[in-house]
Amino acid sequence: NAGVTQTPKFRVLKTGQSMTLLCAQDMNHEYMYWYRQDPGMGLRLIHYSVGEGTTAKGEVPDGYNVSRLKKQNFLLGLESAAPSQTSVYFCASSYEQYNEQFFGPGTRLTVL
Amino acid sequence: AQRVTQPEKLLSVFKGAPVELKCNYSYSGSPELFWYVQYSRQRLQLLLRHISRESIKGFTADLNKGETSFHLKKPFAQEEDSAMYYCALYTGGFKTIFGAGTRLFVKA
Repeated sequence: NAGVTQTPKFRVLKTGQSMTLLCAQDMNHEYMYWYRQDPGMGLRLIHYSVGEGTTAKGEVPDGYNVSRLKKQNFLLGLESAAPSQTSVYFCASSYEQYNEQFFGPGTRLTVL
Repeated sequence: AQRVTQPEKLLSVFKGAPVELKCNYSYSGSPELFWYVQYSRQRLQLLLRHISRESIKGFTADLNKGETSFHLKKPFAQEEDSAMYYCALYTGGFKTIFGAGTRLFVKA
C-alpha cells in the first residue's frame, strides 16, 4: 500500500500562474484534508472533504479551490498564485474525523 | 480561543537523558489530543493519542486537564528519537489544531 501520495514534490510558480496539486490515497478513507505549513507555525487546514463529491472550507481557504470527484483523490487548485502561497502543502486522510490522520510526503511550493 | 502551544522550538538532550516535550492547549470542551512525529526524510505520522493511553517507542503522554497540558515524556532518550514533534488537538467539526512543533535533537 502506498498510503497517501502527493504530486508534485516541488514546484516553482510565477505570480499569477495556476497549478493543481494531486493527492491520492489507497486506504479507502472517507475524510481527506489539505494543510499548509509555514515556518514557525503549525499545520493550518485549507479545505477538507467528508466524502466523494463533497468539499468544505477550513481555516485558510482563500485563494484555493478543491475537488473530490473520486473517493481516492483530492485535488487542490491555485487559480492565480501569489507569493503568500509559498508554503509546504500536506495532504492527509483519515477513516473517521476524530481518528489518526495519515499524511502525504508534502509538496514544497514557491511562488516568485 | 482554541490553541495549541509548544513553547520550545528546539530541545537538545544527551543520549540516555530524560526528555519532556511540552504541549499546552486552550479548549473549553473535552479534548482529543495527539502527538505526531516527523523523522528526517519521512512523512508526518502519529506517535500516540491520549485516549489510547499506551506507550509508543518508550514515549508516554498524560493529559492534565487542570493544567491543560499534554506533555510528551521519555525516560531515556535515544539518538533515533531525533525528529520534529507536533502536538495536535481535535476540536470537532473536522478541525485539528496543530502546534508549531518542537525539534528534538539527541546528542551522542
